[in-house]
Amino acid sequence: GEDVEQSLFLSVREGDSSVINCTYTDSSSTYLYWYKQEPGAGLQLLTYIFSNMDMKQDQRLTVLLNKKDKHLSLRIADTQTGDSAIYFCAENARYNTDKLIFGTGTRLQVFP
Amino acid sequence: ETGVTQTPRHLVMGMTNKKSLKCEQHLGHNAMYWYKQSAKKPLELMFVYSLEERVENNSVPSRFSPECPNSSHLFLHLHTLQPEDSALYLCASSQDSGPYNEQFFGPGTRLTVL
Repeated sequence: GEDVEQSLFLSVREGDSSVINCTYTDSSSTYLYWYKQEPGAGLQLLTYIFSNMDMKQDQRLTVLLNKKDKHLSLRIADTQTGDSAIYFCAENARYNTDKLIFGTGTRLQVFP
Repeated sequence: ETGVTQTPRHLVMGMTNKKSLKCEQHLGHNAMYWYKQSAKKPLELMFVYSLEERVENNSVPSRFSPECPNSSHLFLHLHTLQPEDSALYLCASSQDSGPYNEQFFGPGTRLTVL
């Protein structure tokens, strides 16, 4: 079945790079997404990557996609305390592209 | 602010109560969604409405009853809930359904069932 997995926690020092990893099972996914959830707020789309791309860069964010290994990562350069949040990886469901399958979320904590 | 509002933000109810969650989007979108977010579990899609018609019902118990009276409003009616239904309920909307479809999320309603 469809499954998206992430590690639950990541802790980094301010100014360092953060790398959040995600593995997924559905090789037919068209798009893969990263959402951010700040405390007390809903999810906010950070970035996405089309399945025929290997990499996408958007300012401090770099998304890497390894389709062979079904591995997606989000790198945040120069991590700031304001980046502390939960980050969700998501993919389109195989038989229903309206449906997003989300991972459990990775809680990123940035300390000074 | 994402343009999607949810009320109430917090709700505590007993197992015999009936309550409703409300979602409103001010973005002119055609699709709306209900998700359930439980601690340490993946976000679960509950319902999808497209142009006010339900297009997805993810095997959700009948004690959850959605209603979409128009494309701007979505309700989730709750009755005889169980303690395990305690969670954050997120509403989202998107312009249309389809393979690329940015969903805009509301802040959620934190539900506690006693």
